[in-house]
Amino acid sequence: EAGVAQSPRYKIIEKRQSVAFWCNPISGHATLYWYQQILGQGPKLLIQFQNNGVVDDSQLPKDRFSAERLKGVDSTLKIQPAKLEDSAVYLCASSSLAGPTVEQYFGPGTRLTVT
Amino acid sequence: GENVEQHPSTLSVQEGDSAVIKCTYSDSASNYFPWYKQELGKGPQLIIDIRSNVGEKKDQRIAVTLNKTAKHFSLHITETQPEDSAVYFCAARRSNTGNQFYFGTGTSLTVIP
Repeated sequence: EAGVAQSPRYKIIEKRQSVAFWCNPISGHATLYWYQQILGQGPKLLIQFQNNGVVDDSQLPKDRFSAERLKGVDSTLKIQPAKLEDSAVYLCASSSLAGPTVEQYFGPGTRLTVT
Repeated sequence: GENVEQHPSTLSVQEGDSAVIKCTYSDSASNYFPWYKQELGKGPQLIIDIRSNVGEKKDQRIAVTLNKTAKHFSLHITETQPEDSAVYFCAARRSNTGNQFYFGTGTSLTVIP
């Protein structure tokens, strides 16, 4: 079974520029999560999708961050314009709602550096 | 919302010794508690989990215990090996809010050969 795919793996941009991250979850997983992980901290949920609907985006800075999962499969997270404090690893994860297990599987992450 | 605290933030042990990492949570509605191992440059990987109807679970050298009354759960690694060196995260899930996960701040474990 293929894992969660993310691209790019690394990105360096200047502040006020825009950037987009892509995630392809494990096949058949209905739930997709985007997390922000600042160095030395645990992942913080930005947005959670179930199929193509948003379940929770309460911690997403909506003035600059947006995310979509149009066909209920892959997803894009965008930052526009970026700030220095957005430097972090952006993790995508997916989980299946089927059966009793609700394990989350993470992708390798995209390391964003804003200069 | 849920608040997950994790201790210690760093832990060094000699190879072959045991390591224990502790987490507390605040929301009694949380019912699933996974532990993740994160190696440098990689995403977190699930290593063991426990559900609220179970007090203890073991998988080879790794075990997790849960005390629902006290709202704390712990990861135990026995016979540590250098390859156990990584950052470990605990998490709690609230099932009544769409399977949302809340993470601890992480423990950097170093196993000294």
